[in-house]
Amino acid sequence: SQTIHQWPATLVQPVGSPLSLECTVEGTSNPNLYWYRQAAGRGLQLLFYSVGIGQISSEVPQNLSASRPQDRQFILSSKKLLLSDSGFYLCAWSVIGKGQETQYFGPGTRLLVL
Amino acid sequence: QQQVKQSPQSLIVQKGGISIINCAYENTAFDYFPWYQQFPGKGPALLIAIRPDVSEKKEGRFTISFNKSAKQFSLHIMDSQPGDSATYFCAASISGQNFVFGPGTRLSVLP
Repeated sequence: SQTIHQWPATLVQPVGSPLSLECTVEGTSNPNLYWYRQAAGRGLQLLFYSVGIGQISSEVPQNLSASRPQDRQFILSSKKLLLSDSGFYLCAWSVIGKGQETQYFGPGTRLLVL
Repeated sequence: QQQVKQSPQSLIVQKGGISIINCAYENTAFDYFPWYQQFPGKGPALLIAIRPDVSEKKEGRFTISFNKSAKQFSLHIMDSQPGDSATYFCAASISGQNFVFGPGTRLSVLP
């Protein structure tokens, strides 16, 4: 069965510090991978998605970046965090094709920038 | 055209009542419509999903009603329980791509 992992679960970082959040998927090959951000009590904002190794599409211009160094690994990074980067970060995966369309979410990382 | 509208923003229902959340879309290319349930501090989890070739799908107390001509779909939670209190998101996609999520509905079921 497929599982998705995110770490860390919680992170408190000072403004201006770097960020690295990791997401890994097990039990599937060549998944589409996604990074979302969710502000408290709000909806899901798509940040990045990837259809393959090294292929990243950005949905929202910001000081965040994403990388996919391996087929089932997706990393969200920042060189200098802003207060507005605080939120709940969710990684998700899906595969293409009829009967397999569902997007599955990880447990999330709560980031607080102080 | 890629937007999915969802209402209400919040909903309060008594235990045992019926919770109804509505969504509407514009892009007729969407061919998969899932609903997700999210508890505080957790990632959204797939609850139930439907494809446009059927008008209704039921799984336990949860039912999706789908109206293709009106481009609307809704989630009905029968016999709502306090444990159903969560945020619900509708979504639409094209064969697993181009996922679009509604803004969410916060459901509170009173004991």
